[in-house]
Amino acid sequence: DTAVSQTPKYLVTQMGNDKSIKCEQNLGHDTMYWYKQDSKKFLKIMFSYNNKELIINETVPNRFSPKSPDKAHLNLHINSLELGDSAVYFCASSPRTSGEQTQYFGPGTRLLVL
Amino acid sequence: GQNIDQPTEMTATEGAIVQINCTYQTSGFNGLFWYQQHAGEAPTFLSYNVLDGLEEKGRFSSFLSRSKGYSYLLLKELQMKDSASYLCAVRRFGANNLFFGTGTRLTVIP
Repeated sequence: DTAVSQTPKYLVTQMGNDKSIKCEQNLGHDTMYWYKQDSKKFLKIMFSYNNKELIINETVPNRFSPKSPDKAHLNLHINSLELGDSAVYFCASSPRTSGEQTQYFGPGTRLLVL
Repeated sequence: GQNIDQPTEMTATEGAIVQINCTYQTSGFNGLFWYQQHAGEAPTFLSYNVLDGLEEKGRFSSFLSRSKGYSYLLLKELQMKDSASYLCAVRRFGANNLFFGTGTRLTVIP
């Protein structure tokens, strides 16, 4: 009964490859997010999706493209991977109702680009 | 933009009380969150403040002063398992995403 799940947990790949990370939430939330946590443990927002519409796109390279087939899924596709893309990527979700709107995070995907 | 500052590291003794401070500068403030993150794991929600004052949840309490752009997380009766990073994050009006500080790594020693 995992709330927010991500696959794969670990991803090791060569520079220049294209890869995807999948995220699913079973909480019925309306908004999903992708965050990047670098080697210094700084957690930074990349994208958020609300009802299948991209509502925030922080200044990330266009090699990164979020794709949401439905409200419960937000996948992250990365083209032409670079060494600097190595990081932990966290998916999160939150309800749209007013108030607290706590975000719940997935377990993270550890990406290593060689 | 937003500026969020926390101490990088803190050490405290098992059974003691520790206060982790967070200062922020942001426009359109709409809530402050504290998350706990153990090494190699996902951040987990601890507390939320949107109005001034203290919110208490068991051993953890969080305080907010909007006029001062200041919050703290208070951990009482420290346990070894409280060794983790504590992340302060702010939310702005018009956006649901969180802007995180760099986190405070707390080490609890016997």
